[in-house]
Amino acid sequence: QVQLQESGPGPVKPSQTLSLTCTVSGVSINSGGYYWNWIRQHPGKGLEWIGYIYYSGSTYYNPSLKSRVTISLDTSKNQFSLKLSSVTAADTAVYYCARAVLHYFTSWGQGTLVTVSS
Amino acid sequence: EIVMTQSPATLPVSPGERATLSCRASQSVGSELAWYQQKPGQAPRLLIYGGSTRATGIPARFSASGSGTEFTLTISSLQSEDFAVYYCQQYANWPPWYTFGQGTKLESK
Repeated sequence: QVQLQESGPGPVKPSQTLSLTCTVSGVSINSGGYYWNWIRQHPGKGLEWIGYIYYSGSTYYNPSLKSRVTISLDTSKNQFSLKLSSVTAADTAVYYCARAVLHYFTSWGQGTLVTVSS
Repeated sequence: EIVMTQSPATLPVSPGERATLSCRASQSVGSELAWYQQKPGQAPRLLIYGGSTRATGIPARFSASGSGTEFTLTISSLQSEDFAVYYCQQYANWPPWYTFGQGTKLESK
């Protein structure tokens, strides 16, 4: 059974880069057919797709965030990562990593709250 | 961007009742629509994909229909554990720009 777990360094200051890692267990992220995604949820609000990476390394990002987002793979650790640059308070949210099959999200991490504050 | 609009925002229902939730897309998404359930403090859980196919382990009281721009999720007889927020999500865009509705909260009447 696949499991995903987000981790990160904690609060981030405005203008800095938010960095999160998703550790995957139960399946190799190298196996084809799955898309590895980041999704966020602002406090008390709905869900926003950030982007995905495929096992081949190809990426797609939400156009509204594209200029600030990088998603990468570390196959040696079975992890994928999110970097979001130049953060503001508007980037405060719960960040989820999720596995997608055909672009609907079948497995999710528990989520991690990232607060942007000086 | 395909905008997903859910209605109502809040739906008061009693256990045992039938609940009908709606989701509308700003342009056709075919059958490329999923439904998720989210309980407080938890990640969303996939209920439905392909517009009407139940995900593994989802009880038969959950059903969904629709295609194009109009979709419906029905819970035939509400159980206490069904009180949650429900989101629809389209995955029809290419290049991908997956979008969610704003959610419908089922609350106890």
